[in-house]
Amino acid sequence: EAGVAQSPRYKIIEKRQSVAFWCNPISGHATLYWYQQILGQGPKLLIQFQNNGVVDDSQLPKDRFSAERLKGVDSTLKIQPAKLEDSAVYLCASSSLLGSNQPQHFGDGTRLSIL
Amino acid sequence: GESVGLHLPTLSVQEGDNSIINCAYSNSASDYFIWYKQESGKGPQFIIDIRSNMDKRQGQRVTVLLNKTVKHLSLQIAATQPGDSAVYFCAASSGGYNKLIFGAGTRLAVHP
Repeated sequence: EAGVAQSPRYKIIEKRQSVAFWCNPISGHATLYWYQQILGQGPKLLIQFQNNGVVDDSQLPKDRFSAERLKGVDSTLKIQPAKLEDSAVYLCASSSLLGSNQPQHFGDGTRLSIL
Repeated sequence: GESVGLHLPTLSVQEGDNSIINCAYSNSASDYFIWYKQESGKGPQFIIDIRSNMDKRQGQRVTVLLNKTVKHLSLQIAATQPGDSAVYFCAASSGGYNKLIFGAGTRLAVHP
């Protein structure tokens, strides 16, 4: 079974620029998550989708971050404009069912550096 | 707010010894717990999980123990190998929506 795919692996931009990340979850997984992992910390949930609907976006900085999952499969996360504190690894994860706790499977992330 | 924390930021063990990584959580309503291993430059890799109706669960060379009374869980790795060197995260969720709260991680270093 193919894992969660993310691209790009690395991105370097200047502050106030925009950036987008792409995620393709494990085939058949209805639930998709975006996390932010700052160096030395555990992942922090930004947004959770069930199919193409948002389940939880309470920790997404909506003035600059946006995410979509239009067809209920792959997803994009965008930052516009970027700030220095957005430097982090952005992880995508997926799981098969909502309402049933089970392991989330992670991609290898996109490492974002803001200059 | 809700928190999950590990007791030690780093743990150093000899190859072949058993490792124990501890974790505490604050939300008594947490009903699902999970351990991940993260190697440098990679995403977290699922190791083992446990639900609140269990006290212990075993996998291949790993055991998770859950003590709901003191809100504590631990990950035991038997016969630790150099390939086990990584950062280990515990996470907890409640309410069935699979929203995981992660701890800060413990770095396990295995020495020959």
